[in-house]
Amino acid sequence: GQQVMQIPQYQHVQEGEDFTTYCNSSTTLSNIQWYKQRPGGHPVFLIQLVKSGEVKKQKRLTFQFGEAKKNSSLHITATQTTDVGTYFCAGKPTSGTYKYIFGTGTRLKVLA
Amino acid sequence: KAGVTQTPRYLIKTRGQQVTLSCSPISGHRSVSWYQQTPGQGLQFLFEYFSETQRNKGNFPGRFSGRQFSNSRSEMNVSTLELGDSALYLCASSFLAGQDYGEAFFGQGTRLTVV
Repeated sequence: GQQVMQIPQYQHVQEGEDFTTYCNSSTTLSNIQWYKQRPGGHPVFLIQLVKSGEVKKQKRLTFQFGEAKKNSSLHITATQTTDVGTYFCAGKPTSGTYKYIFGTGTRLKVLA
Repeated sequence: KAGVTQTPRYLIKTRGQQVTLSCSPISGHRSVSWYQQTPGQGLQFLFEYFSETQRNKGNFPGRFSGRQFSNSRSEMNVSTLELGDSALYLCASSFLAGQDYGEAFFGQGTRLTVV
């Protein structure tokens, strides 16, 4: 079936270091969303990417959508302790379903 | 405006029992999706309702069911509970069905523990 995998599953970084999580889909996506879930919290929408090769920035966060629209990445520059949480991508396949498929998530820990 | 409200926040049930969870979406949102979140499986899609109709369904057994009312509020029901049903159940509302062009707003979730 359709799957969306994220790597790495866990990442520990020292505060100030950069962090990247990658999202790979088994099928072509019409768009992809990113969410952040703080420990004990619920997923909160970060951004949506629609176009092939699209790059969007939110302060220290940079989101990319692959040319083939099958992968995406989230890069955080100079991590802070407030970046702690699990980052999920959610992709909408171009065919077969209307639903979004959530990635497995990357849990980020930032050491002060 | 008020966010997505899920009730109850915590629930403890015994194997074999049934449970009903409730979700009130953001005012004006007509799409409600349900997810099961467990440490091992991540976020698993259960189903989506739009204007009282189920539009999408995930790969869960028939023990999991849901419905949506005319005011967009939604309920999900799990019958004959199993230990493996212990999870955080999240509800998300969005303006458009299938979250085509918009973000999903998640509720705080209902933490279900089956003993």
